[in-house]
Amino acid sequence: DVKVTQSSRYLVKRTGEKVFLECVQDMDHENMFWYRQDPGLGLRLIYFSYDVKMKEKGDIPEGYSVSREKKERFSLILESASTNQTSMYLCASSFFRSGLPEQFFGPGTRLTVL
Amino acid sequence: EDKVVQSPLSLVVHEGDTVTLNCSYEVTNFRSLLWYKQEKKAPTFLFMLTSSGIEKKSGRLSSILDKKELFSILNITATQTGDSAVYLCAVEAGGTSYGKLTFGQGTILTVHP
Repeated sequence: DVKVTQSSRYLVKRTGEKVFLECVQDMDHENMFWYRQDPGLGLRLIYFSYDVKMKEKGDIPEGYSVSREKKERFSLILESASTNQTSMYLCASSFFRSGLPEQFFGPGTRLTVL
Repeated sequence: EDKVVQSPLSLVVHEGDTVTLNCSYEVTNFRSLLWYKQEKKAPTFLFMLTSSGIEKKSGRLSSILDKKELFSILNITATQTGDSAVYLCAVEAGGTSYGKLTFGQGTILTVHP
């Protein structure tokens, strides 16, 4: 079974703090993704990576950065958290090859910024 | 810009009813359309569709794709309370980034006993 784990299920931070969200997958997937999910807006892509040290901006990268130093690990960083970054954050992974777009998701981190 | 729109945004039914969820898309170089079910946790994969007119079926759930009219439907027959969830539609589009998905807003389905 594919397993995608995220470092925290719930996180409460203060405005201005630096926040790290960690994601680890055990299926040797090339692709990894970070989304945020808000009511009525679905999943919106923040950043993705198709290889170690590679990253590409998604649809809403402002206020976020990422790091991929190892194939199995993809980190999302909020340099200075703001209240509008309160959301559910989902990590996912998949193969980088045609015909296999299925993404496997972690359980999510519900982040509250006060 | 790739776009995926789901309707309705929410739906309330009673056990035993049949429901149809819709997903329309506008993307460049369509590759595939995926359906996911999300309960109070990670989305789980239901179906992947790549060809028009070929129904995918799993128990009481079925889905079909129309590449000419750019939409897909997800049908659930004889609904049960366990079908209550958010149903997500996503499309994989062209370019060199295999596996990048664009998601719709989701449909919240509530099934009452």
